[in-house]
Amino acid sequence: KQEVTQIPAALSVPEGENLVLNCSFTDSAIYNLQWFRQDPGKGLTSLLLIQSSQREQTSGRLNASLDKSSGRSTLYIAASQPGDSATYLCAVKETSGSRLTFGEGTQLTVNP
Amino acid sequence: NAGVTQTPKFQVLKTGQSMTLQCAQDMNHEYMSWYRQDPGMGLRLIHYSVGAGITDQGEVPNGYNVSRSTTEDFPLRLLSAAPSQTSVYFCASKKGLAGPDTQYFGPGTRLTVL
Repeated sequence: KQEVTQIPAALSVPEGENLVLNCSFTDSAIYNLQWFRQDPGKGLTSLLLIQSSQREQTSGRLNASLDKSSGRSTLYIAASQPGDSATYLCAVKETSGSRLTFGEGTQLTVNP
Repeated sequence: NAGVTQTPKFQVLKTGQSMTLQCAQDMNHEYMSWYRQDPGMGLRLIHYSVGAGITDQGEVPNGYNVSRSTTEDFPLRLLSAAPSQTSVYFCASKKGLAGPDTQYFGPGTRLTVL
């Protein structure tokens, strides 16, 4: 059974720092991996999707990398801003079917 | 487009009561799903549908029923609410099984069962 783990569970940084969020998964046979953002009391917003054949995806100040062989993905946030404060979740889709397996998320606080 | 909408936003039930959580999308997406989010458990798939008239169970289907009579709507029914069903429920949709994998989530329904 696929298990997704995100470390750390919570992170507090000053504004302007570059930071890395980690996601690991136990079964490397994945189809793709997504990073989501969840604001308090809101639904999830998809940030980046990396196909299993890709190494990374970039969107603005966000860069997500994928290393299937080691079962890891990282989300890099450059020049963090208070508006980046949210919970970030990663989810993997397995090769067969459409089921997503989610991690528990990293709660990020960027302090002004 | 309104995207994925969910009603109600908040609900309090007593044990044994039944209710239906509504979900609708206006993006003509074939694939729709229901998740519950609990502290320390992440999001877990309850039921999903790959098109009108087709539904299937997810990871935690017990105590919930779904139907998909139209492409737009995917209601989730709690037959006899239990305190263990206290959670935040999210509906999500995407184009289809073979289409882009970006999922769109609704804002959630926060359910408390007393």
